[in-house]
Amino acid sequence: AQSVTQLDSHVSVSEGTPVLLRCNYSSSYSPSLFWYVQHPNKGLQLLLKYTSAATLVKGINGFEAEFKKSETSFHLTKPSAHMSDAAEYFCVVSLYNQGGKLIFGQGTELSVKP
Amino acid sequence: GAVVSQHPSRVICKSGTSVKIECRSLDFQATTMFWYRQFPKQSLMLMATSNEGSKATYEQGVEKDKFLINHASLTLSTLTVTSAHPEDSSFYICSALRGLEEKLFFGSGTQLSVL
Repeated sequence: AQSVTQLDSHVSVSEGTPVLLRCNYSSSYSPSLFWYVQHPNKGLQLLLKYTSAATLVKGINGFEAEFKKSETSFHLTKPSAHMSDAAEYFCVVSLYNQGGKLIFGQGTELSVKP
Repeated sequence: GAVVSQHPSRVICKSGTSVKIECRSLDFQATTMFWYRQFPKQSLMLMATSNEGSKATYEQGVEKDKFLINHASLTLSTLTVTSAHPEDSSFYICSALRGLEEKLFFGSGTQLSVL
């Protein structure tokens, strides 16, 4: 079975400081992993995705994530937080061979303090 | 970029009425669409997979007679919440799968409030 676990339900950082949102996955196969961002009462925006190419994946808005098979992790990072980064972030795994079917993590709410 | 339009964005209805939510892929054809439900401060739960021209595939625990899905064309899937009750109040989001690259695009969601 495939699943993702986001280790923090809420992360708070100061503007200009680094962001780290943690995600661990479980998969019997080489997974496809994603990070999505959701702003209040809005749909989802894809930040980045890993599909077995480079282990360090760069996304939009300065975010990146590193796939570490040995640690079964796919943590999301950003060197310097911006106020507009405050949102809900979801780590997501795609079910093997079921194109488009996604399993979402529990979500991490990111707060950015001025 | 590809756009998925979801309508309405917000709906308030009385208990016992039915509500229809539309999900349209505006600039591509989507043979497969997905419907998710999100409770406040919680994750998205896949409800069903909507396939054009065939019956939807529902996830375990989702009542198919309660949540009717119709995917009558390659650009439109609808979710009808029948005989809505307050416990059906939630945020519903659709997504559409584009082409061979299997890229997913999400709608902006529908906030349903049942009084």
